[in-house]
Amino acid sequence: AQSVTQPDIHITVSEGASLELRCNYSYGATPYLFWYVQSPGQGLQLLLKYFSGDTLVQGIKGFEAEFKRSQSSFNLRKPSVHWSDAAEYFCAVESNYQLIWGAGTKLIIKP
Amino acid sequence: DTGVSQNPRHKITKRGQNVTFRCDPISEHNRLYWYRQTLGQGPEFLTYFQNEAQLEKSRLLSDRFSAERPKGSFSTLEIQRTEQGDSAMYLCASSSSRDTDTQYFGPGTRLTVL
Repeated sequence: AQSVTQPDIHITVSEGASLELRCNYSYGATPYLFWYVQSPGQGLQLLLKYFSGDTLVQGIKGFEAEFKRSQSSFNLRKPSVHWSDAAEYFCAVESNYQLIWGAGTKLIIKP
Repeated sequence: DTGVSQNPRHKITKRGQNVTFRCDPISEHNRLYWYRQTLGQGPEFLTYFQNEAQLEKSRLLSDRFSAERPKGSFSTLEIQRTEQGDSAMYLCASSSSRDTDTQYFGPGTRLTVL
């Protein structure tokens, strides 16, 4: 069965430091992968997506993610975080029109 | 603003009551999806429509849950005889025929069942 695992429930980083959020998926075919961000009181906002082609994808707000088929991973990165990046981040894989989601990683920014 | 909208944003109800939520998708998006999100979890798929046709409903949580999209535009999700376990955030998303795989989400309706 398809699944998505986000191993880190919480991550704390200092403002200005680099960030990497982990995502592992289980999917039989070439996956369509997504990262969304959810801020308190806000809807889920699409950060970036991977369908095919270049395995390093650029998204909004300075985020990027790299698809690694050999590791079944799609980790999200940002070189320098800002306090406004504090939110919950979700990785998802598409399967038959529905999105299957990880449990999310809450990002906490230290001043 | 042409994003996905959901109403109401919050709903508090007593156990046993019926509730209905509305979702207005992005204009001209022909696909509409409903998800449920409980605290500390990612969203859970419930159902989806292509135009007015409900193409997948096996994931609706019980026969107390039903959804409609009568004219292929807005959609409603109804929960009958609510239970405390129904307390959650109910999310709606839509996607276009040109990019069916990218779903855009509304702000959600938070349901609290007392």
